[in-house]
Amino acid sequence: GAGVSQSPRYKVAKRGQDVALRCDPISGHVSLFWYQQALGQGPEFLTYFQNEAQLDKSGLPSDRFFAERPEGSVSTLKIQRTQQEDSAVYLCASSLFRGQSDGEQYFGPGTRLTVT
Amino acid sequence: GNSVTQMEGPVTLSEEAFLTINCTYTATGYPSLFWYVQYPGEGLQLLLKATKADDKGSNKGFEATYRKETTSFHLEKGSVQVSDSAVYFCALSGIGNYKLTFGKGTLLTVNP
Repeated sequence: GAGVSQSPRYKVAKRGQDVALRCDPISGHVSLFWYQQALGQGPEFLTYFQNEAQLDKSGLPSDRFFAERPEGSVSTLKIQRTQQEDSAVYLCASSLFRGQSDGEQYFGPGTRLTVT
Repeated sequence: GNSVTQMEGPVTLSEEAFLTINCTYTATGYPSLFWYVQYPGEGLQLLLKATKADDKGSNKGFEATYRKETTSFHLEKGSVQVSDSAVYFCALSGIGNYKLTFGKGTLLTVNP
C-alpha cells in the first residue's frame, strides 16, 4: 500500500514569504507527527496529532509555525514570514495507534525547504 | 531531558566487514529504543527496536541489545553488504511519550 507522502519535495522561499507543507499519512493511521531535520542533524520533534486534535505542539520553534489536521487525515505545516534559520528538511510521520511509546512511526520522504 | 549520542561518521567499510555503530542515551526510567535507517533518496525506516532492558532487537542481520547498566544500544552486523550503505539513526521514546528523540545520524558507506 501507499506510504506517507509529502509535497512539495523541494521548496525555495524568499525570506519573509509564507509556505505550506503537506503531509498525506497512511490511511487509517491515528497519530501524525512533524519533525524538523537541520543539515547534519537528527530529526527534532515539532508537533503531534491524534486524529484531528493537536495534543502536543511543544517543539514548534516560534509562533510563526502552525500545523493543522482538520479532518484527521491530511496535515499541513505552515510557516509564516520564513527566516533563513527555517531552512531544513521537514519530515512527517504517521503511526497506527494512539501515542504508544514503542509504536513504529512511518516516515515520509520529507520536504526540503530552503529560505534565501 | 532525553538525549541520544551516537558515533559520528562517516564510517567506511569493505564488504563483509563487521559493523558497530555506538549509541548511548540519557533518559529517565526505561525508554523504548530504536534504530532507524535512511537509504539514499528514501524516507526513514524502522530497522529494529527494543522496549525493555536486555531485549535484543534484530532485523536484516542487524542486532542491538538494550543495556540499561551502560545506557547503550549499539548497532552491530557481522558482515555488511554494499546495499547497507545508508544513514543510521539511534532514537528513543520515553515512557508514555510518543516523541522520538534522535541522535545525529551515522553515514555508513560499504565498498565492494
